[in-house]
Amino acid sequence: SQELEQSPQSLIVQEGKNLTINCTSSKTLYGLYWYKQKYGEGLIFLMMLQKGGEEKSHEKITAKLDEKKQQSSLHITASQPSHAGIYLCGADKDSGGSNYKLTFGKGTLLTVNP
Amino acid sequence: DADVTQTPRNRITKTGKRIMLECSQTKGHDRMYWYRQDPGLGLRLIYYSFDVKDINKGEISDGYSVSRQAQAKFSLSLESAIPNQTALYFCATSGPGQENGYTFGSGTRLTVV
Repeated sequence: SQELEQSPQSLIVQEGKNLTINCTSSKTLYGLYWYKQKYGEGLIFLMMLQKGGEEKSHEKITAKLDEKKQQSSLHITASQPSHAGIYLCGADKDSGGSNYKLTFGKGTLLTVNP
Repeated sequence: DADVTQTPRNRITKTGKRIMLECSQTKGHDRMYWYRQDPGLGLRLIYYSFDVKDINKGEISDGYSVSRQAQAKFSLSLESAIPNQTALYFCATSGPGQENGYTFGSGTRLTVV
């Protein structure tokens, strides 16, 4: 089964700083989802990357998919306290297409200090 | 109204009690899921259902059962709750057009004492 490893596990940054979170797969990545979760709350869908080299942005958050590295990175520019939370990557595809079961990494806890 | 509604939001129950967590969705999707979230372990799949007659075990189904009462409703039961089932439980749904992702409920925080 596919395993997703996120790094770092936690991150503390000063407001205004840029940051990057990585998600590395044990198998070839055919697509990747990024979610954000406020502590104890539901998951908010940020974006889905479907093919290698794809890059998407959502407000100040940009994510890229590097198929060769079996990795996706999520970059936040000029972080704000509203960016704080847990960021989760998920995947549901293998070489045969989607299995329609989302497997998650363990998450990255982001703290943004004012 | 939320696309995926979970009830209750919070629940404290005693060891050995039977408890049901309910989930309903208004997206009209066929696929529904139950996950649990534990600190440091991420979200793990308990059960999933691709339509009313199709129910499947996920990676951690022991101690749980589910019922798909209708396309929109998917409930999770703990037949005899134990303390290590204390967790945050999420229901989710997905449909055609994966670019829109899976839609999650707000979660049920369950504490077993």
